[in-house]
Amino acid sequence: QLLLQESGPGLVKPSETLSLTCTVSDDSLNRNNYYWGWIRQPPGKGLEWIGSLYYTGTTYSNPSLSSRVTMSVDTSKNHFSLHLRSVSAADTAVYYCARQSVTTIFGLLRRGWFDAWGQGTVVTVSS
Amino acid sequence: EIVMTQSPATLSVSPGERATLSCRASQSVSNNLAWYQQKPGQPPRLLIYGASTRATGIPARFSGSGSGIEFTLTISSLQSEDFAVYFCQHYNNWPPETFGQGTKVEIK
Repeated sequence: QLLLQESGPGLVKPSETLSLTCTVSDDSLNRNNYYWGWIRQPPGKGLEWIGSLYYTGTTYSNPSLSSRVTMSVDTSKNHFSLHLRSVSAADTAVYYCARQSVTTIFGLLRRGWFDAWGQGTVVTVSS
Repeated sequence: EIVMTQSPATLSVSPGERATLSCRASQSVSNNLAWYQQKPGQPPRLLIYGASTRATGIPARFSGSGSGIEFTLTISSLQSEDFAVYFCQHYNNWPPETFGQGTKVEIK
């Protein structure tokens, strides 16, 4: 069974950079049939997709966050990372990493649903 | 950005009864829709993808239907473990993939 585990600091100061890593329990990061995503959930609220990346290093991010988001993958270490710059209290949330399926839409390979999730890590932005 | 609107926000149902949850997209997403279940303190769990295909290990009492802009998740006979929050997510035109705001299914 695939396991994903988020790691990183639980407290980040305003204006600094939030950095998280997701470690995957097998070598599926090397495979071309999945994307790998980050999703967050502010306290008591819904889910917001942050971005996803492919094993080649190609990244896609939410336009509302793209100016502050950087993602990377290290297949040799079975992990991928998220960096969110210039954080504020509005970035306080549970951050999840997840595996995202590859699906076919109109004959083209596209990102799909999230079929495996980490347990999530709480990140608080506060001075 | 496609906006996903779920209704109702809260659904009160007795164990053994049927629950019907709705998700509406602001524009057509074809059948590119997934449903998730989330319990307190846990990550979401994939229930349905392709609007109607159950994910691995999901009981048959969960079923999804719809296409275009209107979708439904039906739980045929609610069990105690089904009381949770349910989210829909489209993956048609992106970025971004967007989620609905959730429907909480509570015990009546």
